[in-house]
Amino acid sequence: ETGVTQSPTHLIKTRGQQVTLRCSSQSGHNTVSWYQQALGQGPQFIFQYYREEENGRGNFPPRFSGLQFPNYSSELNVNALELDDSALYLCASSPPASGRGNNEQFFGPGTRLTVL
Amino acid sequence: GDSVTQMEGPVTLSEEAFLTINCTYTATGYPSLFWYVQYPGEGLQLLLKATKADDKGSNKGFEATYRKETTSFHLEKGSVQVSDSAVYFCALMRRDDKIIFGKGTRLHILP
Repeated sequence: ETGVTQSPTHLIKTRGQQVTLRCSSQSGHNTVSWYQQALGQGPQFIFQYYREEENGRGNFPPRFSGLQFPNYSSELNVNALELDDSALYLCASSPPASGRGNNEQFFGPGTRLTVL
Repeated sequence: GDSVTQMEGPVTLSEEAFLTINCTYTATGYPSLFWYVQYPGEGLQLLLKATKADDKGSNKGFEATYRKETTSFHLEKGSVQVSDSAVYFCALMRRDDKIIFGKGTRLHILP
């Protein structure tokens, strides 16, 4: 069974550019969540996708957007990059939700984005 | 809103010392509680979890007990090893399955 994978591993962009990060969910998982982890901080929830629809969003501006595909893989897009967007971006997948707040999320290794 | 507060690091211990990393939470209702570990250059790994009051999660010698009365979930290990050096995150999961993380505690174990 393949775990959660993310690509690319590292990425360097300049201010104002756009970036797309990719995530392949674990087999059997239909929910993908994205998190931003700034240096020295805990991960912050960006948004979650369930069956190709956004299912909740954290406190991030609209220039952070996403997609989920029929195979449940996902993309995170960030437009008009700012220096503060430099962070480790983590993707996590989870199986069909129980709705009781105990649905384990399995994390990928992350994509480290540096904005110059 | 929901939040998690954990002790600030870094925490430096000698090998075989006893470890405690404090974690308290604020939440509506009774969330599930987690400890995640992040080794250098890697993503997050679930270390242990507890889904209801008085549950004890355990894994790899680490333990944490869900204390509703003190809203705490402190991480403990009786004898740490150099290989335990990592960053540890306390987290809660809301009923809508969204995770709220603490800021993390960096642990250094000296041989």
